[in-house]
Amino acid sequence: AQKITQTQPGMFVQEKEAVTLDCTYDTSDPSYGLFWYKQPSSGEMIFLIYQGSYDQQNATEGRYSLNFQKARKSANLVISASQLGDSAMYFCAMRELNAGNMLTFGGGTRLMVKP
Amino acid sequence: SQTIHQWPATLVQPVGSPLSLECTVEGTSNPNLYWYRQAAGRGLQLLFYSVGIGQISSEVPQNLSASRPQDRQFILSSKKLLLSDSGFYLCAWSEGSGKMNTEAFFGQGTRLTVV
Repeated sequence: AQKITQTQPGMFVQEKEAVTLDCTYDTSDPSYGLFWYKQPSSGEMIFLIYQGSYDQQNATEGRYSLNFQKARKSANLVISASQLGDSAMYFCAMRELNAGNMLTFGGGTRLMVKP
Repeated sequence: SQTIHQWPATLVQPVGSPLSLECTVEGTSNPNLYWYRQAAGRGLQLLFYSVGIGQISSEVPQNLSASRPQDRQFILSSKKLLLSDSGFYLCAWSEGSGKMNTEAFFGQGTRLTVV
């Protein structure tokens, strides 16, 4: 079974609008961490934001915020005020305490920002 | 500061030829090291990860192998490449502290085309 599922292969958003990228995960480990990465066309992987399973508040980093719904096992990334430079692949990833130090990624969502 | 070097950036190899991709990390000790493969427009598939010298875990059975001859060196190899080995290979490292919130830092990637 997939550990990380990103159901949106591609999405469009108008410049300056907000967009939500979905991520659901599957784990029975009570201790885990969730990460979001951005991959521009250059191929580099850029870390965006982290949410721990015990964190009480949703993580925020500038225009990025994470809508963490633990009971639903979802960790959606919200990008506010989209910019043309936000066009990229976005990956959700998870690290589980009892799985050592593995970092498992979802299939990604390609976001395209329209001017 | 820590840096990760991965080379070569691009590689075209004939079917049946051997492969050696190298990754080195500077500025840290005892890192966790990872090899991922990304098919065109797809997610990251974890191939190997290592928590120490000589300690390699394989996630996907295939004709690839990995070695960690030194603390900060991680090598991906194949004796005979297949067409299906084509893809974008990414090396990454994270702190070996076991902390959940340590993100992985990625190299620039190697685009391998098997012809």
